[in-house]
Formats: sequence, structure tokens, C-alpha cells
Amino acid sequence: DSGVTQTPKHLITATGQRVTLRCSPRSGDLSVYWYQQSLDQGLQFLIQYYNGEERAKGNILERFSAQQFPDLHSELNLSSLELGDSALYFCASSVGNGELFFGEGSRLTVL
Amino acid sequence: GQQVMQIPQYQHVQEGEDFTTYCNSSTTLSNIQWYKQRPGGHPVFLIQLVKSGEVKKQKRLTFQFGEAKKNSSLHITATQTTDVGTYFCAGPRYMEYGNKLVFGSGTILRVKS
Repeated sequence: DSGVTQTPKHLITATGQRVTLRCSPRSGDLSVYWYQQSLDQGLQFLIQYYNGEERAKGNILERFSAQQFPDLHSELNLSSLELGDSALYFCASSVGNGELFFGEGSRLTVL
Repeated sequence: GQQVMQIPQYQHVQEGEDFTTYCNSSTTLSNIQWYKQRPGGHPVFLIQLVKSGEVKKQKRLTFQFGEAKKNSSLHITATQTTDVGTYFCAGPRYMEYGNKLVFGSGTILRVKS
């Protein structure tokens, strides 16, 4: 158990819909990272937050947004969903610039 | 931008055989991390290498960081079925206010018993 909690574990929705994925980092970790893992691709960095502020951005689509709340949990919002958005979405947390602790992921299926 | 390449993409070995995966970065890295993802699981941190030419061992796993800090390798001696999974290397890319960990494409290891 990494200490990072992600909900929901599985989500099935239709194209055009909007979903919110939630992440609670390990106790004491201020940094939260979001990654997308598709079947034919590795781990693609989406965005990083540190203590409530956005710090780094990857190739995150404009249809996607995220935020980190004062209690340090984070949410990733995916809107106008397309079939290609089907993937595993991982949240990870870290103390600083060291190792990442990954949650178990949220598997999104867009039909 | 910074790229981290890994080879091979896939390796299927007989139990007891050795296995090596190689990681190459287009830029010099301050450190490199290795992760393992079991089938159906999430990436789990294995190790971080920081120094040029560093070699670290964890039981049957040997990790190396190149002298130029642009490449790294993971070698598993006498593979076991428990070694099955995808092995990722990852290097940090520092940005203006934060950083991202750039992952290699991963090497999928299958072990035949």
C-alpha cells in the first residue's frame, strides 16, 4: 500500500461526458502528479501541483483540468470525453523531487 | 524536449536466464529512477541513482548509471517468475517552478517457467 488513494477505481462513461478523478496523497506529501497510461503508450505526464499551486504541465489537453485543494487532495477533470481518452490515470505524490508513490489508478473506459 | 528511450520493448526469457533493460536520455540527468509495474498494478519505485558511474545492487537486481549520466541499465540475474512486469526508467525534467518525471517507454519482461 503506497498510501496514495485514488477513486474511483473503474469508470465507464460515454463520449461527450465529463468525469472527475480524485486523489489523496500520502500524509505529508505536498506534491501531486497526474499521469496517463494508455495501452500502447507509457506513462505520460499530465500535470504537477505543489501545495495547492500548479507547478509543471505536460501535454495535458485543454479538455482536461486539475486542481489541488487546501487539504492537498487533488482532482483531475476530464470533459468532452472521446474514445481515445480511455486509459489508466495514475496519481502520484512525493515529498519533494524524490521518488514518486503511485496510487492504484483509475481506469476510465469511454464508450 | 527531453526524451527517455528504453530498449528492448519486450523480452521473454526462460526462468533462470538473465535480463537487461537499457535506458538512454537525450539530455544529461541529475538522477535516474527505476520503477516496476506488475501486470494490472501500479508503478512501484525500485531505486534512484545520482552519481556518475554509480552501481547499486538489490539482491538479484543491479542498477548502473552511466559516466555521462545519460544512460542507465537494470540487470536481473537468474530471473524468477516474480520478476514479471514492466520496468520503467525515469529522469527528472526541471521546469520553471516545478519538475516532471519523464518515463521511458518501459520494457515488458515475461518469464517462462
